[in-house]
Amino acid sequence: QSALTQPPSASGSPGQSVTISCTGTSSDIGGYDHVSWYQQHPGKAPKLMIYEVTKRPSGVPDRFSGSKSGNTASLTVSGLQAEDEADYYCSSYAGSNTWVFGGGTKLTVL
Amino acid sequence: EVQLVESGGGLVQREGSLRLSCAASGFTFSSYWMTWVRQAPGKGLEWVAAIKPDGSEKYYVDSVKGRFTISRDNAKNSLYLQMNSLRAEDTAVYYCAGMSYWANEYWGQGTLVTVSS
Repeated sequence: QSALTQPPSASGSPGQSVTISCTGTSSDIGGYDHVSWYQQHPGKAPKLMIYEVTKRPSGVPDRFSGSKSGNTASLTVSGLQAEDEADYYCSSYAGSNTWVFGGGTKLTVL
Repeated sequence: EVQLVESGGGLVQREGSLRLSCAASGFTFSSYWMTWVRQAPGKGLEWVAAIKPDGSEKYYVDSVKGRFTISRDNAKNSLYLQMNSLRAEDTAVYYCAGMSYWANEYWGQGTLVTVSS
């Protein structure tokens, strides 16, 4: 049950694209297509942005996309907007009905 | 409208106990896996526990096994977390969440638990 590894920070200018990585192991990210991503603004509850690696819940802009290769998942935010500035967390199913989160990435819109 | 409302947080002494509740509405509670996720002050999210829709199976992160118990009452659309032998490192905002497709789709606003030494 070790946390997934995310870069502590990422940044980009309005209109640009930024990609946040999330590295795990073959026991979590690499073993299942059950990776999800969450956006959290200060003082607020997390919000589901991506599930099952690539799927977007209703209402999430298509500027947000997810992918996975081996033991690493990625979240890409295209056409950055000021309101995208937030903390982002990845999560993966880790087998035996347990889940694990990443340490979080603070996204700054310059 | 989906709502998850946590309650029961507060200040408790080390080795003390606390019971969190989460009242659900706006979705078919009895069909959902439910989880508790916590966030220590200034830190990241940590999955704590999960329970099957019928309550028959429960799962925990290693650090709370034997101390925390997740339960649910589908007749009352409610989720619970009984926390015993609390430690300073359990200090966090505790969120209840409803799972769909292996992801936490619905979230409450959280309740703060502070364990004093």
